Parts: sequence; C-alpha cells; structure tokens
Amino acid sequence: EADIYQTPRYLVIGTGKKITLECSQTMGHDKMYWYQQDPGMELHLIHYSYGVNSTEKGDLSSESTVSRIRTEHFPLTLESARPSHTSQYLCASSSGQLLEQYFGPGTRLTVT
Amino acid sequence: KNQVEQSPQSLIILEGKNCTLQCNYTVSPFSNLRWYKQDTGRGPVSLTIMTFSENTKSNGRYTATLDADTKQSSLHITASQLSDSASYICVVSDRGSTLGRLYFGRGTQLTVWP
Repeated sequence: EADIYQTPRYLVIGTGKKITLECSQTMGHDKMYWYQQDPGMELHLIHYSYGVNSTEKGDLSSESTVSRIRTEHFPLTLESARPSHTSQYLCASSSGQLLEQYFGPGTRLTVT
Repeated sequence: KNQVEQSPQSLIILEGKNCTLQCNYTVSPFSNLRWYKQDTGRGPVSLTIMTFSENTKSNGRYTATLDADTKQSSLHITASQLSDSASYICVVSDRGSTLGRLYFGRGTQLTVWP
C-alpha cells in the first residue's frame, strides 16, 4: 500500500467557508496531483506539481488553489466553498519513467 | 479526440466465476496503459501497467492484455472473490509531455455475489 495520506476523509461544510484539504506522501516523489471525481464518472485532473514551488492547473477548471512548499506536502484550498464543489477529491504522487501514480484514500467533500 | 471507453458499465457475477472487462482507447501517441481497482470510497490502486511492447501482464488472479494495433485492452479476473467487488478503471498515458498526460475511463463497476 502506498504511503500517501489525505485528511480529512469526510467533510461536511456550509457555503462560503474556507477549507483546506491536506495531502502528504512519504515516498519522496517529485510529482503530485489533485483529481476530482464525481460518482460513476472518470477522474479529472485539477492541479499538478512537478516539484517544490511548481504548481500548474489541470484539465478541469477549478476554483481551488494549491501550494507546494515542501516535497511531501500538497494542500488544496477552497477560499469560499459552494454546493457545486461537492465531490470526491483524490491526491496522487508519481515516480519513475512510467510515472506510475499512487493515490491517497480521498476526501469526500459535501458543501451544504 | 483522445478517449478511453470501457465496457460493460457494470457487471454482476457469482463468486468463483471468471470475467473479462474491456477497454478501447483512441489516445495517441501511446505510452502505457494501466488498470486500477477502486474500492468504494477509496483511492484507485494499481493492478498492472503495460507499455507498447507488452501483450500481457499478470498480477495474481488479474491478467491484463494489450493489443496496441487495435487499441484494445482487457482485464481478466479468474476465480472471482467477494473482495473483487469494486470499480475497475482503465487509464492510458500519452507521450505528449514530460508529465505523461493520463486519460481515464469511467470504470466498470463489478459486483461479486456469494
């Protein structure tokens, strides 16, 4: 099992609140990713990072922001949560030539 | 348009039976193809990863095949167990960037009944 962790696992929060989803990995991987997944749908890349101080937006437009101050830590922040942000958020990291990705357990976010 | 299509969308089988899941893709240029298992409420876990030159790869009771000419892959599960109930996701990576862009299928939801 991969050493990549996400907290919280579940979060129910009211509209307008600021939230930060935590992701950390102990494998020393340079590349990290955030995905959004709705039930029965494919994963969509919303942010990625090649390394410290490197962040890029993914394919799916997202109102969230990320930071990468340390190799092992890649938090995602929503400044003002809305019901449309309700989804599962998956963090991943990768290594090697094939960039095999290891996923965290996910955070299920519900915005009421 | 780069796409990954999986079939069937859902499948129910009895414990002990075999099954085969299909994946067709149009991703080009092709780098590798991965199969992931995703339990409900969890993150995906890698089962196999195959490059262009690999036709088959096994991981215990899971055997993946790849036909790069027809752009098709299959995942065969032998002697299914209740714990095999999960979503199986086909993911294709291109060679278009250092990042290795990933294209995800929507998954096949497998349910194994006792």
